Amino acid sequence: DTAVSQTPKYLVTQMGNDKSIKCEQNLGHDTMYWYKQDSKKFLKIMFSYNNKELIINETVPNRFSPKSPDKAHLNLHINSLELGDSAVYFCASSPLGGGLGYTFGSGTRLTVV
Amino acid sequence: GQSLEQPSEVTAVEGAIVQINCTYQTSGFYGLSWYQQHDGGAPTFLSYNGLDGLEETGRFSSFLSRSDSYGYLLLQELQMKDSASYFCAVRDTGRRALTFGSGTRLQVQP
Repeated sequence: DTAVSQTPKYLVTQMGNDKSIKCEQNLGHDTMYWYKQDSKKFLKIMFSYNNKELIINETVPNRFSPKSPDKAHLNLHINSLELGDSAVYFCASSPLGGGLGYTFGSGTRLTVV
Repeated sequence: GQSLEQPSEVTAVEGAIVQINCTYQTSGFYGLSWYQQHDGGAPTFLSYNGLDGLEETGRFSSFLSRSDSYGYLLLQELQMKDSASYFCAVRDTGRRALTFGSGTRLQVQP
């Protein structure tokens, strides 16, 4: 009965590789997000989708590409990984407006070596 | 854009009361939220204030003053399990995603 699930939980990979993180929510929410949390715990929005439509695309390198096949799924693909991409990536979802709170996935800890 | 300020660290003892303040600057305003995150865990939603005043949920309360661009999270009867990071977050009317503060690490001591 997991509300927002993302896989994998841990990802260790070499510089230059391409990797994907998957996210699914079963809450019926309209909006999904990708956040990046750095080593200082700062949470920064990367992308937001509302019902499969991209509505926020922050200043993120083109190597990051989100894809939403339907409103319950939001995946993140990263090309040509760099050391600085090492972080925890959180998927989240919310009802339209988000005032009732975001539900976050458990996070994907990405380590680029 | 938006910016939020909150203390980086707070220490308190079990059973005590602690207040975590948050001041924000944003163009347009659509509410102040609070999230809790334990080490290694995901942020979890605690409370939302869209209007001025106090919202109470069990041992936790949250306050908002829109005229002062200020809010706080009040934790009462502190327990060891309350040791975590607490983030305030705002969503303004222009953006459609939360902007988070840098987080306050709360350490509860016996």
